[in-house]
Amino acid sequence: AQSVTQLDSQVPVFEEAPVELRCNYSSSVSVYLFWYVQYPNQGLQLLLKYLSGSTLVESINGFEAEFNKSQTSFHLRKPSVHISDTAEYFCAALNTGFQKLVFGTGTRLLVSP
Amino acid sequence: EAQVTQNPRYLITVTGKKLTVTCSQNMNHEYMSWYRQDPGLGLRQIYYSMNVEVTDKGDVPEGYKVSRKEKRNFPLILESPSPNQTSLYFCASSSADRGEKLFFGSGTQLSVL
Repeated sequence: AQSVTQLDSQVPVFEEAPVELRCNYSSSVSVYLFWYVQYPNQGLQLLLKYLSGSTLVESINGFEAEFNKSQTSFHLRKPSVHISDTAEYFCAALNTGFQKLVFGTGTRLLVSP
Repeated sequence: EAQVTQNPRYLITVTGKKLTVTCSQNMNHEYMSWYRQDPGLGLRQIYYSMNVEVTDKGDVPEGYKVSRKEKRNFPLILESPSPNQTSLYFCASSSADRGEKLFFGSGTQLSVL
C-alpha cells in the first residue's frame, strides 16, 4: 500500500530564515504529488503539485518543491519565511494506477519573530 | 464563488444520537470525499464518491454512512456516534481528473460525549 511520510511533526523557525519540510513517498508506480497548506481554523488549500515534466515546481507565495524519483522525495522549501507562513503543511501522493490520494501526517511550521 | 460548504461548523452531541453533517459543492464536481483529521494521524479518508449513486469505502469507514443522491450533495451520517468519532471532519471535491486539486470545506469539529 502506498504511504506518505512526513518525519517532522513540527518545525520552528525564525522569520526570514530558510525552511525545508520533508516528504517521502513509497510507490512502485507513477504518482502525482501535492503539498496542501492548512491555516488555523480553515480547510486545506493546494499549495503546489507535481504531475509530470519539470521536477521543480513553485507556488505563488515563494514555496518550491522538487520531485526526486531516486530518493522518492518531494521536499518543500522556502528561502525566507514570513510570520504568515505559520500553518500546517500536508504532503499527499496520488497513485495514478489506483486513483487513491494518500496524505502524510502533516508538519506544523511555526514562524516566530 | 467556487466553494465547498459544510454544516454545522461545530457540533456537540451524546453517544448514540444520530447526526448528519451536510456537504455541498457548487462546482459540478464528480468526485467528493470525507476525511477525518486527528492529531498525529493526518487526514484519513472515510468514504468517497466518484459520481451520483456511486460511493465506496475509504480507509476508516466503520461507524459512518454516506449517500450521493444529487451531484452537489454528499452528507455524512453517524447512525450511533461514539466518543472515538470525536474529530475534525472535512468534505472535499474535485473534478474527475484526479490530477486536479481537491477543494476542501472549512471543517466540522464534532465532539461526542
